[in-house]
Parts: sequence; structure tokens; C-alpha cells
Amino acid sequence: DAKTTQPNSMESNEEEPVHLPCNHSTISGTDYIHWYRQLPSQGPEYVIHGLTSNVNNRMASLAIAEDRKSSTLILHRATLRDAAVYYCILRDVGGFGNEKLTFGTGTRLTIIP
Amino acid sequence: KAGVTQTPRYLIKTRGQQVTLSCSPISGHRSVSWYQQTPGQGLQFLFEYFSETQRNKGNFPGRFSGRQFSNSRSEMNVSTLELGDSALYLCASSLEGHSTNTEAFFGQGTRLTVV
Repeated sequence: DAKTTQPNSMESNEEEPVHLPCNHSTISGTDYIHWYRQLPSQGPEYVIHGLTSNVNNRMASLAIAEDRKSSTLILHRATLRDAAVYYCILRDVGGFGNEKLTFGTGTRLTIIP
Repeated sequence: KAGVTQTPRYLIKTRGQQVTLSCSPISGHRSVSWYQQTPGQGLQFLFEYFSETQRNKGNFPGRFSGRQFSNSRSEMNVSTLELGDSALYLCASSLEGHSTNTEAFFGQGTRLTVV
């Protein structure tokens, strides 16, 4: 599986935007970029995913570099509930049946009130 | 709709014993995956079941096994428990296949402590 690199931790003030970076320089053409987050004492939850174009949903936005070697998860207005570990994951859809998620160490996001 | 349900939530076992964990996926989901989470190794993929067949397997010893029933419910078994098996075991369910590239839904996990 192609690897991702994320900062170990980040801090942000409440109600300000947060930009969480992810590097994936060995990404292949069939890799989708997925983001999950894990709140304290809970299982991971899906945030967003994309292939080439920028994506928006109710939780966040995903900005993907033109060469696809990096991406940024954007939380537009962080709240205390957004404090979590955020994982950037590459999923290869080149073959049927690949539901495996390879988690890295993620970025621990702290929100400052 | 109901989410992914894992039982029990907490479990304490003695070294050498075996344990069975249960996972009920979201209704309609046919894929069930299992993960182990420890402070040292993070989240690691154990295996995935789809339509009662193991479809993917991670790098864990044979003491870790699983199965899936016709209603998509899944069980995970760990035999001859070791202290290092103490972890949070997470189950995730998703719709079939990869072509839709759908999200995985995780349960809250079973916290296993081996003493």
C-alpha cells in the first residue's frame, strides 16, 4: 500500500479554519484519498474522500494537489467536537474486494477554546 | 438505521484462554473488517469477510481467526491469549465491493484486557 505522511499533532483555535496536510508522494493512479477521524473513546468515522478534484461535504473539504502527491483536509470552522486523531489513507480500487484500510499514525488535532 | 454493534464492550481474560468477539454490521452491509488498535502499533488490519468468505487478511498469527454468518454478522476468535493481545478490537462494515468506493462504518470496539 502506498504510504502517507502526516504531522503528529496540530493545534487550532476554536471557530477558526483548520488545514490538515497529508503527503502521499507514491500515490498511484487508482488510489483514492480517504480521511477518517477518531474521537476519544470511539471507533474511526469517515470524513471525506476524493480522487482528483476538490471535494466538499457537510463535515469538511478536501483539496487535492494537481500532481496528487499531497492533499489537505479543511475544517472550515473548528469546534471542540472536532478534537480527534485524523487519518489520511490511500485506498487502491484497482481490484475487487479491497476493503482494507491502512492507517498511519495520523494527526492529533487539539482545539483551543 | 442502527450502526455497527460490537459485543461485549469490555472483556478481561487470562493468558492462555481464548476469546470470541461479536460484530453486527449495518443492515444491508455485506463486508465486515476487523482491526486491532494498540498504543504501540496503532490501528492494524486483521481480516475482512464478505459473503461468509475471508477476502483479505493482515499480518497476524493464526491464533487470530474469524468467520461470517449468512446474516453478515461476524465473530473474531483469539486463541491462547497473550498479554500483548490486550487491545481495542474494532469492527467495520461497508457495502459490497470496491467500485463504489464507499465509506467504512466502525463500531465502538471491544476493549480486551489479558492478565
